[in-house]
Amino acid sequence: EPEVTQTPSHQVTQMGQEVILRCVPISNHLYFYWYRQILGQKVEFLVSFYNNEISEKSEIFDDQFSVERPDGSNFTLKIRSTKLEDSAMYFCASRRDPGANVLTFGAGSRLTVL
Amino acid sequence: TQLLEQSPQFLSIQEGENLTVYCNSSSVFSSLQWYRQEPGEGPVLLVTVVTGGEVKKLKRLTFQFGDARKDSSLHITAAQPGDTGLYLCAGVEGKFQFGAGTQVVVTP
Repeated sequence: EPEVTQTPSHQVTQMGQEVILRCVPISNHLYFYWYRQILGQKVEFLVSFYNNEISEKSEIFDDQFSVERPDGSNFTLKIRSTKLEDSAMYFCASRRDPGANVLTFGAGSRLTVL
Repeated sequence: TQLLEQSPQFLSIQEGENLTVYCNSSSVFSSLQWYRQEPGEGPVLLVTVVTGGEVKKLKRLTFQFGDARKDSSLHITAAQPGDTGLYLCAGVEGKFQFGAGTQVVVTP
């Protein structure tokens, strides 16, 4: 069964460092998402990406965050200067097209900022 | 912002008992999804409900979408320890908006 893969599974970084989280969405999917989940809290929407541009973003997704689709397969989330409160699980998700109501999640990348 | 409220927040039951968790919103959704999430893993889709009043069954799990497409329930019959997890509902209206989840613990 096709799946969304994320790397790394766990990253530990120092406050102020840049972090790039990588995702390989399902190959025929066109809509990509990043969500985050702080430990013990709800899954929060960060950003959606379609047709090589951001289609929607939340108030969490400030100037410290950026997304990119550098090639035909990867979808990355960059945090420019990490803060302690960026520690969370980051989930990538994809769906086939804007009309599809099935969102497939990756297993997540755990980010720990020290 | 469309808010999804899930209740209860936490549910602990014995194996063999039944349980129901709820997902409510003041907004209408084109569809609603239920996920189960286990510690350290991503949410895994259980079901999508689309039509108001729709009922879907997945083995011992029964999902219902309210007539007005604003609420949903998940009922588990004869719960097993393997049903333990965080149950999340997500409303689909453009972006996917998640509720805070119901943590279910089924003890042997």
